[in-house]
Amino acid sequence: GAVVSQHPSRVICKSGTSVKIECRSLDFQATTMFWYRQFPKQSLMLMATSNEGSKATYEQGVEKDKFLINHASLTLSTLTVTSAHPEDSSFYICSAQEGTVGETQYFGPGTRLLVL
Amino acid sequence: DAKTTQPPSMDCAEGRAANLPCNHSTISGNEYVYWYRQIHSQGPQYIIHGLKNNETNEMASLIITEDRKSSTLILPHATLRDTAVYYCIVRQGGYSTLTFGKGTMLLVSP
Repeated sequence: GAVVSQHPSRVICKSGTSVKIECRSLDFQATTMFWYRQFPKQSLMLMATSNEGSKATYEQGVEKDKFLINHASLTLSTLTVTSAHPEDSSFYICSAQEGTVGETQYFGPGTRLLVL
Repeated sequence: DAKTTQPPSMDCAEGRAANLPCNHSTISGNEYVYWYRQIHSQGPQYIIHGLKNNETNEMASLIITEDRKSSTLILPHATLRDTAVYYCIVRQGGYSTLTFGKGTMLLVSP
């Protein structure tokens, strides 16, 4: 149990385009989902937290207009990188938990984004 | 959340037990100790968590000292597939966020 999927696993796009990444909880209802970013040889950095049906809460320094997060259902959250630039190239990872607080987070396999 | 300290790297022979230490001397009473691992180019995988008592599951055992200032993750029979970065994270019970440090790179060799 506790499987989280992400799609796509890899994406290459041109600078200035927008990219959407999907995160799904396959066998549980995810009240809360999280989006992380990981640059090469660095640890995971939390970008934002989203509760189903509510606006996402962004970490300091993360531009909410650039990284649009939608958590419209209990099994799906999407991250849209708008007007992507080469510096947005990174490994994006989502996680999901069943409750709002205290539950274990389960992570997706990650999406590798390369912006040319 | 309390800060954790882990050795940057460890080696282990295949088939032997891997004992990964974590120091969390400023942990408070309602904070849990979580362990995740990340195999190269994959998302983190949940391993185990505990509050006060030792815990065991099909993947590993978690030993927490009585004063809760440190813990050890034990992989009883390490395999090559256990090569990964292991993260020890202290998480407050009433909150959801996880703060990842640099972790320990465990290399399991034949």
